[in-house]
Amino acid sequence: QQPVQSPQAVILREGEDAVINCSSSKALYSVHWYRQKHGEAPVFLMILLKGGEQKGHDKISASFNEKKQQSSLYLTASQLSYSGTYFCGTERVHHYGGSQGNLIFGKGTKLSVKP
Amino acid sequence: DGGITQSPKYLFRKEGQNVTLSCEQNLNHDAMYWYRQDPGQGLRLIYYSQIVNDFQKGDIAEGYSVSREKKESFPLTVTSAQKNPTAFYLCASSIDPIGLTVGYNEQFFGPGTRLTVL
Repeated sequence: QQPVQSPQAVILREGEDAVINCSSSKALYSVHWYRQKHGEAPVFLMILLKGGEQKGHDKISASFNEKKQQSSLYLTASQLSYSGTYFCGTERVHHYGGSQGNLIFGKGTKLSVKP
Repeated sequence: DGGITQSPKYLFRKEGQNVTLSCEQNLNHDAMYWYRQDPGQGLRLIYYSQIVNDFQKGDIAEGYSVSREKKESFPLTVTSAQKNPTAFYLCASSIDPIGLTVGYNEQFFGPGTRLTVL
Protein backbone atom coordinates (compact mmCIF):
# COMPACT_ATOMS: atom_id res chain seq x y z
CA GLN A 1 0.00 0.00 0.00
CA GLN A 2 3.01 2.26 0.21
CA PRO A 3 3.32 4.71 -2.69
CA VAL A 4 6.17 3.95 -5.03
CA GLN A 5 8.93 6.51 -5.30
CA SER A 6 11.41 6.72 -8.15
CA PRO A 7 14.29 6.86 -8.52
CA GLN A 8 15.53 5.22 -5.32
CA ALA A 9 18.67 7.32 -5.41
CA VAL A 10 20.14 10.09 -7.54
CA ILE A 11 23.51 11.84 -7.59
CA LEU A 12 23.76 15.37 -8.93
CA ARG A 13 26.36 18.04 -9.41
CA GLU A 14 25.57 21.46 -8.01
CA GLY A 15 23.36 23.36 -10.41
CA GLU A 16 21.79 20.30 -12.00
CA ASP A 17 18.06 19.54 -11.92
CA ALA A 18 16.25 16.50 -10.58
CA VAL A 19 12.75 15.05 -10.59
CA ILE A 20 11.43 12.67 -7.95
CA ASN A 21 8.22 10.79 -8.64
CA CYS A 22 5.61 9.37 -6.29
CA SER A 23 2.93 7.02 -7.56
CA SER A 24 -0.01 5.43 -5.77
CA SER A 25 -2.43 2.67 -6.72
CA LYS A 26 -5.11 4.23 -4.50
CA ALA A 27 -7.20 7.36 -5.01
CA LEU A 28 -5.51 10.26 -3.26
CA TYR A 29 -6.76 13.26 -1.34
CA SER A 30 -3.41 14.97 -1.07
CA VAL A 31 0.31 14.41 -1.29
CA HIS A 32 2.85 15.71 1.24
CA TRP A 33 6.58 16.05 0.58
CA TYR A 34 9.25 15.90 3.30
CA ARG A 35 13.04 15.97 3.33
CA GLN A 36 15.16 14.18 5.92
CA LYS A 37 18.85 14.79 6.40
CA HIS A 38 20.95 12.01 7.85
CA GLY A 39 20.31 11.54 11.57
CA GLU A 40 17.69 14.28 11.68
CA ALA A 41 13.91 14.46 11.72
CA PRO A 42 11.97 14.86 8.46
CA VAL A 43 11.09 18.44 7.56
CA PHE A 44 7.94 19.46 5.74
CA LEU A 45 8.31 20.88 2.21
CA MET A 46 4.79 21.21 0.80
CA ILE A 47 1.28 19.79 0.46
CA LEU A 48 -0.54 19.31 -2.83
CA LEU A 49 -4.28 18.82 -2.85
CA LYS A 50 -6.45 16.89 -5.26
CA GLY A 51 -7.52 19.09 -8.08
CA GLY A 52 -4.22 18.84 -9.89
CA GLU A 53 -2.40 21.82 -8.52
CA GLN A 54 1.21 22.80 -8.70
CA LYS A 55 3.19 24.46 -5.96
CA GLY A 56 6.65 25.74 -5.35
CA HIS A 57 8.93 27.84 -3.27
CA ASP A 58 12.44 28.92 -4.09
CA LYS A 59 13.73 26.33 -6.57
CA ILE A 60 11.70 23.37 -5.32
CA SER A 61 8.28 22.80 -6.82
CA ALA A 62 5.83 19.95 -7.16
CA SER A 63 2.80 18.85 -9.14
CA PHE A 64 -0.05 16.46 -8.46
CA ASN A 65 -1.89 14.61 -11.21
CA GLU A 66 -5.07 13.43 -9.54
CA LYS A 67 -6.18 11.25 -12.46
CA LYS A 68 -2.93 9.32 -12.49
CA GLN A 69 -2.49 9.41 -8.67
CA GLN A 70 1.00 10.70 -9.22
CA SER A 71 3.04 13.54 -7.81
CA SER A 72 6.42 14.83 -8.90
CA LEU A 73 8.92 16.94 -6.98
CA TYR A 74 11.15 19.20 -9.07
CA LEU A 75 14.48 20.45 -7.77
CA THR A 76 15.99 23.14 -9.96
CA ALA A 77 19.60 24.30 -9.93
CA SER A 78 20.36 22.01 -7.00
CA GLN A 79 22.42 23.20 -4.07
CA LEU A 80 24.52 21.20 -1.61
CA SER A 81 21.84 21.84 1.00
CA TYR A 82 19.32 19.85 -1.06
CA SER A 83 21.08 16.60 -0.16
CA GLY A 84 18.98 14.22 1.89
CA THR A 85 16.23 11.66 1.55
CA TYR A 86 12.92 12.85 0.13
CA PHE A 87 9.68 11.20 1.16
CA CYS A 88 6.22 11.56 -0.26
CA GLY A 89 3.32 10.98 2.09
CA THR A 90 -0.02 10.16 0.55
CA GLU A 91 -3.42 10.88 2.06
CA ARG A 92 -5.83 8.38 0.64
CA VAL A 93 -9.51 8.73 -0.08
CA HIS A 94 -11.67 6.74 2.31
CA HIS A 95 -14.31 4.42 0.90
CA TYR A 96 -17.02 6.90 1.95
CA GLY A 97 -15.32 9.63 -0.04
CA GLY A 98 -13.54 11.58 2.65
CA SER A 99 -9.96 11.35 3.84
CA GLN A 100 -8.45 8.19 5.29
CA GLY A 101 -7.15 10.39 8.09
CA ASN A 102 -3.48 9.53 7.96
CA LEU A 103 -0.44 9.57 5.69
CA ILE A 104 1.26 6.59 4.07
CA PHE A 105 4.87 7.34 3.19
CA GLY A 106 6.98 6.00 0.36
CA LYS A 107 10.36 4.40 0.93
CA GLY A 108 12.20 7.57 0.03
CA THR A 109 14.57 8.87 -2.64
CA LYS A 110 18.13 9.57 -1.57
CA LEU A 111 19.48 12.69 -3.24
CA SER A 112 23.20 13.49 -3.12
CA VAL A 113 24.46 16.81 -4.47
CA LYS A 114 28.19 17.00 -5.12
CA PRO A 115 30.27 20.18 -5.55
CA ASP B 1 10.44 27.45 22.12
CA GLY B 2 7.64 25.29 20.84
CA GLY B 3 8.37 21.86 19.53
CA ILE B 4 8.27 18.11 19.98
CA THR B 5 10.58 16.29 22.32
CA GLN B 6 11.30 12.59 22.38
CA SER B 7 13.25 10.82 25.06
CA PRO B 8 15.54 9.13 25.36
CA LYS B 9 17.55 9.57 22.17
CA TYR B 10 19.06 6.09 22.45
CA LEU B 11 17.43 3.20 24.27
CA PHE B 12 18.62 -0.32 24.87
CA ARG B 13 16.48 -3.13 26.21
CA LYS B 14 16.75 -6.82 26.71
CA GLU B 15 14.63 -9.16 24.69
CA GLY B 16 11.30 -9.88 26.39
CA GLN B 17 11.05 -6.52 28.16
CA ASN B 18 8.46 -3.85 27.52
CA VAL B 19 9.74 -0.30 27.00
CA THR B 20 7.96 3.05 26.75
CA LEU B 21 9.07 5.84 24.45
CA SER B 22 8.14 9.36 25.41
CA CYS B 23 6.71 12.01 23.07
CA GLU B 24 5.72 15.48 24.30
CA GLN B 25 4.64 18.53 22.32
CA ASN B 26 3.93 22.10 23.41
CA LEU B 27 2.56 23.24 20.05
CA ASN B 28 -1.07 22.80 21.13
CA HIS B 29 -1.56 20.37 18.27
CA ASP B 30 -4.60 18.10 18.28
CA ALA B 31 -3.15 15.23 16.26
CA MET B 32 -0.14 13.07 17.09
CA TYR B 33 1.50 10.16 15.26
CA TRP B 34 4.06 7.43 15.79
CA TYR B 35 6.19 6.14 12.94
CA ARG B 36 8.82 3.45 12.69
CA GLN B 37 11.75 3.92 10.34
CA ASP B 38 13.94 1.05 9.13
CA PRO B 39 16.70 1.39 6.54
CA GLY B 40 15.22 1.43 3.05
CA GLN B 41 11.62 1.19 4.33
CA GLY B 42 10.61 4.79 4.73
CA LEU B 43 8.25 5.84 7.50
CA ARG B 44 5.62 3.34 8.56
CA LEU B 45 2.66 4.41 10.69
CA ILE B 46 2.22 2.61 14.00
CA TYR B 47 -0.57 4.53 15.74
CA TYR B 48 -2.15 7.95 15.48
CA SER B 49 -4.42 10.05 17.63
CA GLN B 50 -6.70 12.78 16.35
CA ILE B 51 -7.95 13.88 19.75
CA VAL B 52 -7.36 13.23 23.44
CA ASN B 53 -8.54 9.84 24.70
CA ASP B 54 -8.84 8.47 21.18
CA PHE B 55 -6.36 6.71 18.89
CA GLN B 56 -6.33 4.45 15.84
CA LYS B 57 -4.05 1.70 14.60
CA GLY B 58 -1.75 2.33 11.71
CA ASP B 59 -0.31 -0.23 9.32
CA ILE B 60 2.06 -1.92 11.79
CA ALA B 61 0.36 -1.66 15.19
CA GLU B 62 0.94 -5.27 16.28
CA GLY B 63 3.21 -5.44 19.31
CA TYR B 64 2.75 -1.76 20.19
CA SER B 65 0.38 0.16 22.44
CA VAL B 66 -0.29 3.86 23.03
CA SER B 67 -2.28 6.18 25.25
CA ARG B 68 -3.45 9.77 24.83
CA GLU B 69 -4.54 10.99 28.25
CA LYS B 70 -3.25 14.51 27.71
CA LYS B 71 -3.19 16.66 24.59
CA GLU B 72 0.56 17.21 24.82
CA SER B 73 1.63 13.61 25.44
CA PHE B 74 1.48 10.45 23.31
CA PRO B 75 3.71 7.70 24.75
CA LEU B 76 4.41 4.53 22.79
CA THR B 77 5.01 1.19 24.50
CA VAL B 78 6.94 -1.44 22.61
CA THR B 79 5.85 -4.75 24.07
CA SER B 80 7.60 -8.09 24.13
CA ALA B 81 5.14 -9.23 21.46
CA GLN B 82 6.86 -7.03 18.88
CA LYS B 83 9.02 -9.51 16.93
CA ASN B 84 11.64 -7.13 15.62
CA PRO B 85 11.61 -3.93 17.69
CA THR B 86 15.06 -2.60 16.85
CA ALA B 87 14.40 0.56 14.81
CA PHE B 88 14.32 4.34 14.77
CA TYR B 89 11.03 5.69 16.15
CA LEU B 90 9.67 9.09 15.17
CA CYS B 91 6.83 10.98 16.79
CA ALA B 92 5.01 13.75 14.93
CA SER B 93 2.13 16.16 15.47
CA SER B 94 -0.09 18.40 13.37
CA ILE B 95 -2.44 21.27 14.25
CA ASP B 96 -5.40 19.38 12.89
CA PRO B 97 -5.75 15.73 11.97
CA ILE B 98 -4.98 14.72 8.44
CA GLY B 99 -8.11 15.25 6.37
CA LEU B 100 -9.75 17.85 8.57
CA THR B 101 -8.56 21.33 7.66
CA VAL B 102 -6.69 22.10 4.48
CA GLY B 103 -3.42 23.80 5.19
CA TYR B 104 -3.17 22.73 8.82
CA ASN B 105 -2.02 19.16 8.37
CA GLU B 106 1.72 19.75 8.13
CA GLN B 107 3.41 17.24 10.39
CA PHE B 108 6.17 18.38 12.74
CA PHE B 109 8.57 15.63 13.74
CA GLY B 110 10.51 15.07 16.93
CA PRO B 111 14.23 14.12 16.89
CA GLY B 112 13.48 10.40 17.24
CA THR B 113 14.45 7.57 19.56
CA ARG B 114 16.76 4.80 18.38
CA LEU B 115 15.75 1.56 20.11
CA THR B 116 18.09 -1.41 20.16
CA VAL B 117 17.06 -4.77 21.54
CA LEU B 118 19.94 -6.81 22.86
